[in-house]
Amino acid sequence: QVQLVQSGAEVKKPGASVKVSCKASGYIFTNYYIHWVRQAPGQGLEWMGWINPNSGGTNSAQKFQGWVTMTRDTSIDTAYMELTRLKSDDTAVYYCARGIFAGAGSQDGFDIWGQGTMVTVSS
Amino acid sequence: SYELTQPPSVSVSPGQTARIICSGDALPKRYAFWYQQKSGQAPVLVIYEDNKRPSGIPERFSGSSLGTMATLTISGAQVEDEADYYCYSTDISGNHGGVFGGGTKLTVL
Repeated sequence: QVQLVQSGAEVKKPGASVKVSCKASGYIFTNYYIHWVRQAPGQGLEWMGWINPNSGGTNSAQKFQGWVTMTRDTSIDTAYMELTRLKSDDTAVYYCARGIFAGAGSQDGFDIWGQGTMVTVSS
Repeated sequence: SYELTQPPSVSVSPGQTARIICSGDALPKRYAFWYQQKSGQAPVLVIYEDNKRPSGIPERFSGSSLGTMATLTISGAQVEDEADYYCYSTDISGNHGGVFGGGTKLTVL
């Protein structure tokens, strides 16, 4: 079945970087955008950006530009999100999610979600 | 930056109709998507492209959009529908990025 499986929980110190992986299975990886969304404890959902696994093209929310890097490895059907210069308020669950329609662009929503990766930033 | 606005909370009795509104200036030109999130779980898509329901989502969930407002309607809300609901859409300016509404806590009791 179609699923996204994310890497495990991370604990990082302020100023460090974290890289979260998202492995896709059950569909053609390069046909659907992968979005990244985060949720701080007790807070709402925050869209971070997307990657087009086919071209490698990315787009991120202005807040995260210059600070988040989204990449992919098509040989292993895996997308990555790296966040640098971590601060305590980056403590959150980070989700990857798949675009709804094959070949759709950036205006598409997303339907399949990973299980989430908890990233804790603490000294 | 672009914003989508939702009421923080909505409360209904079981069997009543719940309506959650999402407002945003770009909604006349962009689809709205709705997500349900229960405590400790990943979100679930319940409505896409304003008014389409994914397979497996109960018929009591419906969506509509008119002008700058999109509405999620739950007809005959059930206790199990109690959750946080988020609208999502994309901007028509800037880098056309995505944005979520602040979320609405639906209480059914």
